[in-house]
This record gives sequence, structure tokens and C-alpha cells, in this order.
Amino acid sequence: SQQGEEDPQALSIQEGENATMNCSYKTSINNLQWYRQNSGRGLVHLILIRSNEREKHSGRLRVTLDTSKKSSSLLITASRAADTASYFCATADIDSGGGADGLTFGKGTHLIIQP
Amino acid sequence: DTEVTQTPKHLVMGMTNKKSLKCEQHMGHRAMYWYKQKAKKPPELMFVYSYEKLSINESVPSRFSPECPNSSLLNLHLHALQPEDSALYLCASSRRGDRFEQYFGPGTRLTVT
Repeated sequence: SQQGEEDPQALSIQEGENATMNCSYKTSINNLQWYRQNSGRGLVHLILIRSNEREKHSGRLRVTLDTSKKSSSLLITASRAADTASYFCATADIDSGGGADGLTFGKGTHLIIQP
Repeated sequence: DTEVTQTPKHLVMGMTNKKSLKCEQHMGHRAMYWYKQKAKKPPELMFVYSYEKLSINESVPSRFSPECPNSSLLNLHLHALQPEDSALYLCASSRRGDRFEQYFGPGTRLTVT
């Protein structure tokens, strides 16, 4: 079942600008991850933030997590045309059985970077 | 090697056909997943294998039958599918548990006629 709600659903910006996407979720989580998908192909993992972390950086990516509001944001700085893709947040629920439980994806944000 | 491979890339099948999707990884991951993604929608979890045993079946119809012959391979057997089953089928693997990122294959785009 879908859990996350991304906001906005679509975003178009000029190359060089920053892009911010938001995600909300409903359950208690172990971690929250962001993935990128180009043209309906496989997903690429971008960054993972654990429930006890508030902010994480990776290159031009900055992710925040607010567990009290059950929300996260992904910031891409200095955007490039190659960043054009769909971006999904995905949550891993708190492990209740010691096994792998899969991810629940949000609806996604389609980002277009105008050259 | 951080690659997950899936074959075939595209598949067209009739509603009476039997076909199989294959997924392979050589990263030593002991958790493998099948997701289904409809156009302009997020991926939805179908099955999870942990240590080659089926641990999660998200109420998937029996016309989809997963199989994990060994720790590197994951199959999805298809039989008597419906047109609404047309979608992108994604395989993923990870180190065991939800605490790790998943590595996705490029997917198999399935069309049921």
C-alpha cells in the first residue's frame, strides 16, 4: 500500500536552480530513502536517512527528516539537465519480525530541469 | 559488481501463455524483492524473499508465482494473466533487512494482450 505523499507531484525549474521535494508518511519507520527513476526504468538509490537522524548530505543532495511531523524533504542544489527524472521517497517500517519487509513508496515527484 | 540484471527487457504475452521473468544479482544479498509499477505510479511491493524463503506475499493473485532457486536468482512465473497486469516489473535486492538500500534492476516491461 502507498504510504508517502510527495509534494509537488511535478516541478519544473531552470538549470542551476535548487529543487526541493517533500514527502509525508503515516507509520513509524526504521528509515526513509529517496530514489530516482529515469524514463520508467529501474530505480537508483540516492540517500538513506535513519529515524534517529535529522539531516544528511550526499554531494548535491540534502535530506531532512522530521519524525514528529512524519515528513522528509529532498533538496537538490545547482540542478542539472541530467537531474530530470522522477523522485520517490520510500519508507521501511520498524522491523517487527527480524526479516526484510520491503519498501513502501510515495507517489513521486516528476522533476524537469529546463536547460 | 553492484548490478541487478533482469530478463527479458520486454515481454508480450497472451492471456493463455505461461512465461517467466528472471532476476540475478551477485552482490551476496540475501533479500530479494519483486515490485510492480503501473505507468505514472510508484512501485508496489509484491513479494519478498529472505534467505531464499518467501517471507512476504502482498496478497498477490496466484497467477503470479515467485521462485528463488538460489541466493543469486529470483524468478517470477506468469500464467493466465489479465490485460490489467501489464506493467513494469522490477526486481531488487538488498542486504537482509529494511535498514539497507535496495538495488534495482532495469525492469521487465510486460504487455498482456
